[in-house]
Amino acid sequence: EADIYQTPRYLVIGTGKKITLECSQTMGHDKMYWYQQDPGMELHLIHYSYGVNSTEKGDLSSESTVSRIRTEHFPLTLESARPSHTSQYLCATQVGSFSRGQFFGPGTRLTVL
Amino acid sequence: KNQVEQSPQSLIILEGKNCTLQCNYTVSPFSNLRWYKQDTGRGPVSLTIMTFSENTKSNGRYTATLDADTKQSSLHITASQLSDSASYICVVSDRGSTLGRLYFGRGTQLTVWP
Repeated sequence: EADIYQTPRYLVIGTGKKITLECSQTMGHDKMYWYQQDPGMELHLIHYSYGVNSTEKGDLSSESTVSRIRTEHFPLTLESARPSHTSQYLCATQVGSFSRGQFFGPGTRLTVL
Repeated sequence: KNQVEQSPQSLIILEGKNCTLQCNYTVSPFSNLRWYKQDTGRGPVSLTIMTFSENTKSNGRYTATLDADTKQSSLHITASQLSDSASYICVVSDRGSTLGRLYFGRGTQLTVWP
């Protein structure tokens, strides 16, 4: 069954640690996105990719980086985590235009102590 | 400035009752509007999508309306169930660029009590 997977689902780490949030999809969608969502707030786009070897920064300034070496994987890396990075991170995929809709993964809840 | 505003911020209703959630937007140009349901700790799931020419669209007990002239949309939930407890997010897409972009509302947090 086609799906979007995010790991880990929950992560608690100390300040200064390097972390990678994984996102993988089995739908073959060319476009992938990373959003940051705080409680009661709107989703903010932090990175997106329109295909292999294509990555762009989103609207929200982020200290994270992404890579897109394969269609199905879109990992997000924080080189040095800080408490301000505490948030929920959602990965999404899309095929074609926005009228086709985005499909979201279950999210990773990150807490930086 | 393109924005999406949702009201109320939160809502509590009793099981079996109906409710209506509102979404006002200033996004221009306009391509489509989509309502998502987001359960706690999960990613959003699409409920309905409406384009400029559509006024009403239903998905089971969910009915969305769109007034493109006043830039307002509503999501009506009929005969609410406990499983309807979630955040409902309004998302508007523009067509200002080749691939457009999305504008997200902050969501309405709905709680259904037994």
